[in-house]
Amino acid sequence: NAGVMQNPRHLVRRRGQEARLRCSPMKGHSHVYWYRQLPEEGLKFMVYLQKENIIDESGMPKERFSAEFPKEGPSILRIQQVVRGDSAAYFCASSYGRSTEAFFGQGTRLTVV
Amino acid sequence: DAKTTQPPSMDCAEGRAANLPCNHSTISGNEYVYWYRQIHSQGPQYIIHGLKNNETNEMASLIITEDRKSSTLILPHATLRDTAVYYCIVRVLNDYKLSFGAGTTVTVRA
Repeated sequence: NAGVMQNPRHLVRRRGQEARLRCSPMKGHSHVYWYRQLPEEGLKFMVYLQKENIIDESGMPKERFSAEFPKEGPSILRIQQVVRGDSAAYFCASSYGRSTEAFFGQGTRLTVV
Repeated sequence: DAKTTQPPSMDCAEGRAANLPCNHSTISGNEYVYWYRQIHSQGPQYIIHGLKNNETNEMASLIITEDRKSSTLILPHATLRDTAVYYCIVRVLNDYKLSFGAGTTVTVRA
């Protein structure tokens, strides 16, 4: 019974490149959430998706960031034209229902050089 | 708008109970109290949640005061592996967002 799987665990990108972060939710979970943790800061909600639909993206930066959760396959958080300020740990969580407990993955640590 | 207040840090001795306080004086009737922890460099881990009754599971116990303005998370026999940042979060029943504050950095010492 695998937990939430995120890959890669570590990702290094040069400024201007694209970063693609993947998240496979727990089996049976159709709700996915992305959070970002900047260095020395708390976790901040970014986006909530439910199969093929973005429910709430109020925490997403307006530009360069996008997320999807297709019918088949993992959820993807995509960051275009990365800048140094995007360096952070990005955590994905999933839940069975909208308000049931969320279980987190181990995160992807993005470093922009 | 912080909904919870936690001490920034606390130490406890290995093998002893760790009692982590949380104030949530503005909690409303439909808000639950959730506890998560984050061990260094890992994702947050769900611990326990409750509405007004005390709750216990294999990880911890949650004691909520009768007026629900504060609560205590109890780790009955702390181990070195319990060293982590512990987050107390209040959340409306149908909400999906978790609003993480600064939490309490708990250090378990041998």
